[in-house]
Amino acid sequence: DSGVTQTPKHLITATGQRVTLRCSPRSGDLSVYWYQQSLDQGLQFLIQYYNGEERAKGNILERFSAQQFPDLHSELNLSSLELGDSALYFCASSASGAGYTDTQYFGPGTRLTVL
Amino acid sequence: AQSVTQLDSQVPVFEEAPVELRCNYSSSVSVYLFWYVQYPNQGLQLLLKYLSGSTLVKGINGFEAEFNKSQTSFHLRKPSVHISDTAEYFCAVSSSSGSARQLTFGSGTQLTVLP
Repeated sequence: DSGVTQTPKHLITATGQRVTLRCSPRSGDLSVYWYQQSLDQGLQFLIQYYNGEERAKGNILERFSAQQFPDLHSELNLSSLELGDSALYFCASSASGAGYTDTQYFGPGTRLTVL
Repeated sequence: AQSVTQLDSQVPVFEEAPVELRCNYSSSVSVYLFWYVQYPNQGLQLLLKYLSGSTLVKGINGFEAEFNKSQTSFHLRKPSVHISDTAEYFCAVSSSSGSARQLTFGSGTQLTVLP
């Protein structure tokens, strides 16, 4: 158990809909990362938040957005869903700042199926 | 920009035999290197990491990896594999400087241990 929790575990929805994925980082970790794992694209970085602020952005679609709340949990919002958005979405967390190496620990993932 | 190449997409090996999973990376900056393992229907678990210092890194479950800066490689090895090592293995890199520490992953190597 990495200490990172993600809900829900599975999500099935229809094209055009909007969903929210939730992540709680390990206790004390300030950074949260979101990754997408799909068969055709592999594991891709989407976005990083550090202590409530966006720190880095990867291949994240404009239909996707994220935020990190004061209690450090994070949500990934996916809207106008398409079939191709079906994937496993991982959250990871790390301790960040001076003296830390940002080793990332991953949650169990949310499997999104868009029908 | 960074990239990671895992040279073998599938590696079948008999139980108790040694195994090497190959990983090469490309980066214009100094990096940290990681190996993660993903068991079926599970999240990513950190196997080992290279941050600095000794180029031979030992991880969990009897795995080790050697960082070779001149060949930009970080190959994963285990002297004797078990059936339970069957999983997908991912090599990843992150920048060792700056505030953006997202991971860039290779495409993965499926290790199948045969009885």
